[in-house]
Amino acid sequence: EAGVTQSPTHLIKTRGQQATLRCSPISGHTSVYWYQQALGLGLQFLLWYDEGEERNRGNFPPRFSGRQFPNYSSELNVNALELEDSALYLCASRPPGETYEQYFGPGTRLTVT
Amino acid sequence: RKEVEQDPGPFNVPEGATVAFNCTYSNSASQSFFWYRQDCRKEPKLLMSVYSSGNEDGRFTAQLNRASQYISLLIRDSKLSDSATYLCVVNPELFIQGAQKLVFGQGTRLTINP
Repeated sequence: EAGVTQSPTHLIKTRGQQATLRCSPISGHTSVYWYQQALGLGLQFLLWYDEGEERNRGNFPPRFSGRQFPNYSSELNVNALELEDSALYLCASRPPGETYEQYFGPGTRLTVT
Repeated sequence: RKEVEQDPGPFNVPEGATVAFNCTYSNSASQSFFWYRQDCRKEPKLLMSVYSSGNEDGRFTAQLNRASQYISLLIRDSKLSDSATYLCVVNPELFIQGAQKLVFGQGTRLTINP
């Protein structure tokens, strides 16, 4: 069974630009979560999508946004990039039903210069 | 106070040793608990779920103490391949509340030495 996939693997942008990160969940999983892992810091919850709707967001400014498509894949957009947005962005998926386990993709490493 | 706290380590132990990590959480209403493992520059991988009083999977044992609000991970007969960062993870809300976010500790770095 294929795992969670993310693209691109690496992304280099300059301050003020926009970044778009993509995630495909495990087949059959309907929930997608986005996390940010900055260097030396723990994973911070960004966004949760389920059945095409944004269900919850973490303590991040509105310039972090995203969406979930009908095939359950998801996109994270970061506008007006700042240097401190440089981090590993991880996507996780969860199967439907009352289960809490999340399965992570390999991440997109975003570097803002 | 952080929602989930772990000793960052590093823990350096010889191969074959037994090592234990603790993790404390601040929200007494937390419902489910996990240990994830993260190798350097890789994604976290689910190691174990801890749902009730604890569970065991081979050399790994996880325990939950709700009264003291901590969970532990015990690794017996440690292998070189156990070297990684171990993340304590808590889901602080009831499933019906729908928040479904995981709160991660900072991780405990473990190195197994030959």
